[in-house]
Amino acid sequence: GAVVSQHPSRVICKSGTSVKIECRSLDFQATTMFWYRQFPKQSLMLMATSNEGSKATYEQGVEKDKFLINHASLTLSTLTVTSAHPEDSSFYICSARVLRHGYTFGSGTRLTVV
Amino acid sequence: GQQLNQSPQSMFIQEGEDVSMNCTSSSIFNTWLWYKQEPGEGPVLLIALYKAGELTSNGRLTAQFGITRKDSFLNISASIPSDVGIYFCAGTQGGSEKLVFGKGTKLTVNP
Repeated sequence: GAVVSQHPSRVICKSGTSVKIECRSLDFQATTMFWYRQFPKQSLMLMATSNEGSKATYEQGVEKDKFLINHASLTLSTLTVTSAHPEDSSFYICSARVLRHGYTFGSGTRLTVV
Repeated sequence: GQQLNQSPQSMFIQEGEDVSMNCTSSSIFNTWLWYKQEPGEGPVLLIALYKAGELTSNGRLTAQFGITRKDSFLNISASIPSDVGIYFCAGTQGGSEKLVFGKGTKLTVNP
């Protein structure tokens, strides 16, 4: 149980376009989801906390207009990278907190902006 | 923000050897979690610890929540090649749901 499904696993897009990443909780409801970014050989960096039915909370230094987060239902949170540029290329991972099961992570999305 | 000091940064061991890694902090944590991440994948939870002094095992893995609530260790016994990956400690503090991560320990197991 407690599976978080993240799609797509890989995406290549052109500079200036937008990319949407979806994160679904398959067998539980997640009022809160977390979005991370991970650079090669580094740890996970929290970008924002996604709250169902309300605005996301962004970490310091994360541009909320560039990384749009929507959490419209208890099972779906999306991250849209707007007007993507090569420096946005990274590994993006979502997670949700599951009571007594810690935090469950999605399988990640490798974004490459060309 | 608060950082977790995770060590060692990397380990190169022979198959069958035992492994130990740890995380420390200058402040108290409420939970300690240990994850394994393989290339191109998200972290997978290995062990979750919720009480000071708690010692929990999951197969060949054992982890403990330090009595001071400022540290935790993860031991892997009789390592096998599939143990290769990056191990992260993570924890929460106070009333925050945000996970604080260590920088990871990269484990290489030579057959």
